[in-house]
Amino acid sequence: EDQVTQSPEALRLQEGESSSLNCSYTVSGLRGLFWYRQDPGKGPEFLFTLYSAGEEKEKERLKATLTKKESFLHITAPKPEDSATYLCAVQDYGGATNKLIFGTGTLLAVQP
Amino acid sequence: EAGVTQSPTHLIKTRGQQATLRCSPISGHTSVYWYQQALGLGLQFLLWYDEGEERNRGNFPPRFSGRQFPNYSSELNVNALELEDSALYLCASSWGDTQYFGPGTRLTVL
Repeated sequence: EDQVTQSPEALRLQEGESSSLNCSYTVSGLRGLFWYRQDPGKGPEFLFTLYSAGEEKEKERLKATLTKKESFLHITAPKPEDSATYLCAVQDYGGATNKLIFGTGTLLAVQP
Repeated sequence: EAGVTQSPTHLIKTRGQQATLRCSPISGHTSVYWYQQALGLGLQFLLWYDEGEERNRGNFPPRFSGRQFPNYSSELNVNALELEDSALYLCASSWGDTQYFGPGTRLTVL
């Protein structure tokens, strides 16, 4: 069964203190791995799509990487406005479905 | 370009009633997805519509249903509401692999 596990559940950083969030996954055939940011009470905001091991994508202070078993979201010199829940999701080739399977997220708090 | 829109923003119902939630996809997107996000839980896949047809549904009872209209907008209906249906209901649309989410409808069942 497809599964996504994110760690840590919560992370508190000081402004400027770089760190990484982890997303480990189990799928029969990875079609894509997705990172989203979600602010409280709002819908997830799309960040990145990764398709194959070794792929990397960057956007401002965020960089996402992918291996065959996990993905990392690296946050460089974070600012308080980066505080949010970061969600990882996978899409499986198997079955006639486009559904995303989500992890439970990492709640990031960046203190000034 | 306008994003995914959902209405209403909030909806309060009592047990046993029916709820109708609406979603308008990004222009040009033909697929619409519905997810449930209950408090403290991750997003759970509910339904996928494409070109007016239901393509797949998640592990939810039949009282969760919906449809997609010719203009690709979609409606989610929840019958015989139960307290545990209280959640944020999110709609997403896509043309390729990436799904873009709307702001959600907060459903509260009293």
